[in-house]
Amino acid sequence: GQQVMQIPQYQHVQEGEDFTTYCNSSTTLSNIQWYKQRPGGHPVFLIQLVKSGEVKKQKRLTFQFGEAKKNSSLHITATQTTDVGTYFCAGPDAGNMLTFGGGTRLMVKP
Amino acid sequence: DAGVIQSPRHEVTEMGQEVTLRCKPISGHNSLFWYRQTMMRGLELLIYFNNNVPIDDSGMPEDRFSAKMPNASFSTLKIQPSEPRDSAVYFCASSLAHDSSNQPQHFGDGTRLSIL
Repeated sequence: GQQVMQIPQYQHVQEGEDFTTYCNSSTTLSNIQWYKQRPGGHPVFLIQLVKSGEVKKQKRLTFQFGEAKKNSSLHITATQTTDVGTYFCAGPDAGNMLTFGGGTRLMVKP
Repeated sequence: DAGVIQSPRHEVTEMGQEVTLRCKPISGHNSLFWYRQTMMRGLELLIYFNNNVPIDDSGMPEDRFSAKMPNASFSTLKIQPSEPRDSAVYFCASSLAHDSSNQPQHFGDGTRLSIL
């Protein structure tokens, strides 16, 4: 079945450095969602992308949906310690159920 | 506004015991999801309800797991008998329905379950 794959699994950055996580699907997605889970917390919805090539920004976070709607990225500019957590992408599978990627765990060294 | 409410927050019990996890979705949301999260397997969907009816339970690992939603404001996930490999964080999430894959899901704080 359709899977949403994320890379990298882990990323250590120095505070102030940029960070990017990538999400790839074998099939075209009608939409893609991004979530953030702080350590010890629960996933929290960040944003949804629907249109081909769509780019959305939330302060230092930039979300992009690929032209073919098979991939997406989340870029954080000048990371801060508050950005620590696991970032998940999620997209609909063949049964129209939202399927979560494995997540990228971001660690920020102050 | 109240979010998704789960109880208990933590549960430690001995193997063989029955475990019941509870969830109250956000009022007005008619899709409810139970997930299990572990380091090894990540976030796994166990079962999904729409308008209190189980739609997809293909993620339920074994017959030891069962879930019910007797009304729009309450759901339970039961494990009987529990085993150490059931230790995980169990999340409940809810969303507006009609197209569950196109709606954001709102997660509860989770239940951290440890089976000794």
